[in-house]
Amino acid sequence: EVQLVESGGGLVEPGGSLRLSCAASGFTFSKYAMSWVRQAPGKGLEWVSSISGTGGDTFSAVKGRFTISRDNSKNILYLELKNMRAEDTALYYCAKAQGEWPHLVPLDYWGRGTLVTVSS
Amino acid sequence: DIQMTQSPSSLSASVGDRVTLPCRASQTISTYLSWYQQKAGEAPKLLISGASSLGSGVPSRFSGSGSGTDFTLTISNLQPEDFATYYCQQTFITPYTFGQGTKLEI
Repeated sequence: EVQLVESGGGLVEPGGSLRLSCAASGFTFSKYAMSWVRQAPGKGLEWVSSISGTGGDTFSAVKGRFTISRDNSKNILYLELKNMRAEDTALYYCAKAQGEWPHLVPLDYWGRGTLVTVSS
Repeated sequence: DIQMTQSPSSLSASVGDRVTLPCRASQTISTYLSWYQQKAGEAPKLLISGASSLGSGVPSRFSGSGSGTDFTLTISNLQPEDFATYYCQQTFITPYTFGQGTKLEI
């Protein structure tokens, strides 16, 4: 059974940093691209970033402040958030892509999310 | 960026109805369009991929169609558990944009 469990969320002040983690199990982690998708309170879904199965290629909607990475030896996906702003407040979901490359394929499994709040 | 437009943002229906939810892309995305269902307090769930392929375990009352820029999610014989918010997403080109969602209400 595929399981994705996010952690690392919390309250952070504007300008601060946070690292989110997503522990994956139930599938061969290195063979699938992974993504982060966020949802601000009461709002819709927003794609944040994706990474290929090998980790060699990354794609991001928030260039310069957010960095996606993965450790295929530990089956963990990461998202490093820097210089955070109030508008980054959201529930951050980890999701598995249906292929090794995030392009052209859907997200077929999702975690339950980790809440990030940016506030002073 | 490709804009994905879902209109209306909410739709009222009744159990047993057949409903059609549209999604329009601002430029062609072939059939690289997915539909997700999100119930309150839950993570999204994949319903349809490739514009028309039913996801694993998804009931056959759900169907998808379209290509290019215009897509449709159809739910036949609405069940109580179908009242949720539905999102479309394109994975043709980054950023992999979502529509703003259509909330299906009783």
